[in-house]
Amino acid sequence: KNQVEQSPQSLIILEGKNCTLQCNYTVSPFSNLRWYKQDTGRGPVSLTIMTFSENTKSNGRYTATLDADTKQSSLHITASQLSDSASYICVVSARGGSYIPTFGRGTSLIVHP
Amino acid sequence: NAGVTQTPKFRVLKTGQSMTLLCAQDMNHEYMYWYRQDPGMGLRLIHYSVGEGTTAKGEVPDGYNVSRLKKQNFLLGLESAAPSQTSVYFCASSPAPLYEQYFGPGTRLTVT
Repeated sequence: KNQVEQSPQSLIILEGKNCTLQCNYTVSPFSNLRWYKQDTGRGPVSLTIMTFSENTKSNGRYTATLDADTKQSSLHITASQLSDSASYICVVSARGGSYIPTFGRGTSLIVHP
Repeated sequence: NAGVTQTPKFRVLKTGQSMTLLCAQDMNHEYMYWYRQDPGMGLRLIHYSVGEGTTAKGEVPDGYNVSRLKKQNFLLGLESAAPSQTSVYFCASSPAPLYEQYFGPGTRLTVT
């Protein structure tokens, strides 16, 4: 069964600090991995997408990495801001079949001033 | 360009009542999805559609029905609401499989 596990479940950091969120998956055969940001009371919004051949991708202060061999991804946030407070969801898609992606349960990040 | 919209934003139902949630998208996307999100559970797929006139079951379809009569609209129905269906419901659309999903703002449903 395809699964996506995220850690930590929640994280509290001070404004200006960096942090890294983790995502481990067992989805196969792998197609792509997305990180979504979900603000409180809003729908998720895509931050990055990574395919099998990509190791690193950046979107402003957000940098995602992918290790397809160990089936792990990380999302690094640099110089955090209060607006980074949100839930970050890892979503992995498989090739073939119904193409329905598998969602992680998310990491809740709180940035304190 | 409104993207994905959902109606209503909030609703309170009594056990046994029925209702329909409406999702509309103006991006001409083929794929549409309905999810529910509960605390600690993440997003779970209820039903999805790969094109006008098609529907398919997701991970948690029991107690829900859907219809996609028009490409831009995807309706989610609850025939006899139960307290276990208290949740936040999100609709999403995408142009094709494996592409980014665009989410609506959500509908918060409470069943008493």
